[in-house]
Amino acid sequence: SQTIHQWPATLVQPVGSPLSLECTVEGTSNPNLYWYRQAAGRGLQLLFYSVGIGQISSEVPQNLSASRPQDRQFILSSKKLLLSDSGFYLCAWRGQGEGHTEAFFGQGTRLTVV
Amino acid sequence: AQTVTQSQPEMSVQEAETVTLSCTYDTSENNYYLFWYKQPPSRQMILVIRQEAYKQQNATENRFSVNFQKAAKSFSLKISDSQLGDTAMYFCAFMGYNTDKLIFGTGTRLQVFP
Repeated sequence: SQTIHQWPATLVQPVGSPLSLECTVEGTSNPNLYWYRQAAGRGLQLLFYSVGIGQISSEVPQNLSASRPQDRQFILSSKKLLLSDSGFYLCAWRGQGEGHTEAFFGQGTRLTVV
Repeated sequence: AQTVTQSQPEMSVQEAETVTLSCTYDTSENNYYLFWYKQPPSRQMILVIRQEAYKQQNATENRFSVNFQKAAKSFSLKISDSQLGDTAMYFCAFMGYNTDKLIFGTGTRLQVFP
């Protein structure tokens, strides 16, 4: 069966420090991968999505970047965190092809920038 | 660009009663998928129900059903016989048939009272 791992679960980082959140998927190949941020009153905001290794689509110009160095690995990064980067970050995967419509989510990372 | 709008930030319902959550969307595509996801206090995202736009019949899953109005671009969720375990944040989501973007609304927080 497929599983998705996202870590860390919680993170407190000072302003100006770097960030690296990692997400890995097991039990499937060539998944679509997504990073979302959930902030109060703003729902789930799509940040990045990827349909393959090295293929990243950015939805929101911001202080963050994403990379997909391996087929089932998706990394969210920042060189210098801002206070506004605080939030709950969710990684998700979805199978490719017709019929694979359901997205499966990780447990999330609560990031607090202080 | 596609957008998803949920105009009800919060809703409440008494146990065993029926509640309807609203969702509207905007797209120029003719074929697409619509979803309702549930996020309980554990923050784990769970798919509640999905609808394919080319199917005229409204989707149902046990106590959950949708009212899909394609011309009006409306996709509401009806929860019958509400249970305490239905207390959660509910997100409406859209995905184009030929795209990989999964877009969410801002969510509706539902509280079920005993």
